[in-house]
Amino acid sequence: AQKITQTQPGMFVQEKEAVTLDCTYDTSDQSYGLFWYKQPSSGEMIFLIYQGSYDEQNATEGRYSLNFQKARKSANLVISASQLWDSAMYFCAMRDPYNQGGKLIFGQGTELSVKP
Amino acid sequence: GAVVSQHPSWVICKSGTSVKIECRSLDFQATTMFWYRQFPKQSLMLMATSNEGSKATYEQGVEKDKFLINHASLTLSTLTVTSAHPEDSSFYICSARVLATSVYRYNEQFFGPGTRLTVL
Repeated sequence: AQKITQTQPGMFVQEKEAVTLDCTYDTSDQSYGLFWYKQPSSGEMIFLIYQGSYDEQNATEGRYSLNFQKARKSANLVISASQLWDSAMYFCAMRDPYNQGGKLIFGQGTELSVKP
Repeated sequence: GAVVSQHPSWVICKSGTSVKIECRSLDFQATTMFWYRQFPKQSLMLMATSNEGSKATYEQGVEKDKFLINHASLTLSTLTVTSAHPEDSSFYICSARVLATSVYRYNEQFFGPGTRLTVL
């Protein structure tokens, strides 16, 4: 069965510094997708970045980049130049193969706090 | 990105009553919608997958008779919590799946803003 693990319940980072949020996954499938979402205190889930299992290059979206190491089954999120409004919960998720409807499996989440 | 709405955003009800939560895709059609439940400081737990025109697929451990899901159209799915009890108090979030097109590069799921249910 697919599984996503985020081992950092909470992280602190100084404003303007970079931070890495860890995510490891477990799957026996060759085709899968990995996502990162941000959830501020208001509760909405905000899509940040996506990495496909066959993508050769690491995904980047503005200040967000995904450090994809397929052999190690890790998909860490890197936020560069942290801003105060980056403080939120961050969830790593994996999409099941299409034969299971494309549902997402989420990790436990990491609460990021950006200090001024 | 695509917009998904949920109504109501919060609801307080008495124990034993039923509550209906609506999830709408506003600017796209969604053949598949998902319902999640989230307790404070915890992750999202998938409750069920809702496909338009067919019965929902529930995750293991989710009571089908308690959490009724209806996906009557390509833009609307509803979750009804029947005979709600205090332990059903939670944050319920829906998402709608967008198929990959030239606009959306991959099969993203767009989330609604969530509904906070409190059962007294």
